[in-house]
Amino acid sequence: DTEVTQTPKHLVMGMTNKKSLKCEQHMGHRAMYWYKQKAKKPPELMFVYSYEKLSINESVPSRFSPECPNSSLLNLHLHALQPEDSALYLCASSQDQGITEAFFGQGTRLTVV
Amino acid sequence: GEDVEQSLFLSVREGDSSVINCTYTDSSSTYLYWYKQEPGAGLQLLTYIFSNMDMKQDQRLTVLLNKKDKHLSLRIADTQTGDSAIYFCAELPAGNMLTFGGGTRLMVKP
Repeated sequence: DTEVTQTPKHLVMGMTNKKSLKCEQHMGHRAMYWYKQKAKKPPELMFVYSYEKLSINESVPSRFSPECPNSSLLNLHLHALQPEDSALYLCASSQDQGITEAFFGQGTRLTVV
Repeated sequence: GEDVEQSLFLSVREGDSSVINCTYTDSSSTYLYWYKQEPGAGLQLLTYIFSNMDMKQDQRLTVLLNKKDKHLSLRIADTQTGDSAIYFCAELPAGNMLTFGGGTRLMVKP
């Protein structure tokens, strides 16, 4: 099983809503990542969790709040987003942080209205 | 993506070979990757090469690495319409995170 599963696939939310993106992997990977990808651009790293602890926060605004409940799950809680936050949000995992290849989920297409 | 550069666009005819090029900057990169992204989808890891290798072949894919020039290429033999996608190269500098190139959009004409 080399799958990283993300839910939901699509999400439309208002600027006052609170929502969460979910990511799951069962490969025993100890590093999990959130990326943001705008149209026709490469993915940009947002957060890295290593062994369930936040390892890297790339100066992401506090309206994005990551959470790693256990080694298989990674959430991204969203609150008071702006229209410019609309993007494809990708989750990835790797065996260890920054050492081996990362496997990506299919992404959540987020639209903020 | 500023440290990893790719050309924006490549157009080929079905059945021809495609060659997508990439230059990177960090000589400490231990692994170099090629990812494929179809419209509206996530990134699919296609192949990777370890920095002490010059070439890696995997079915229709051939990766060439020139460490001296920090140049990486992906050759797709017998390109099919299903190969139409954006291809990202990425470097993994030692102790650091994946750095992606800007992506090359491959269009395959029937």
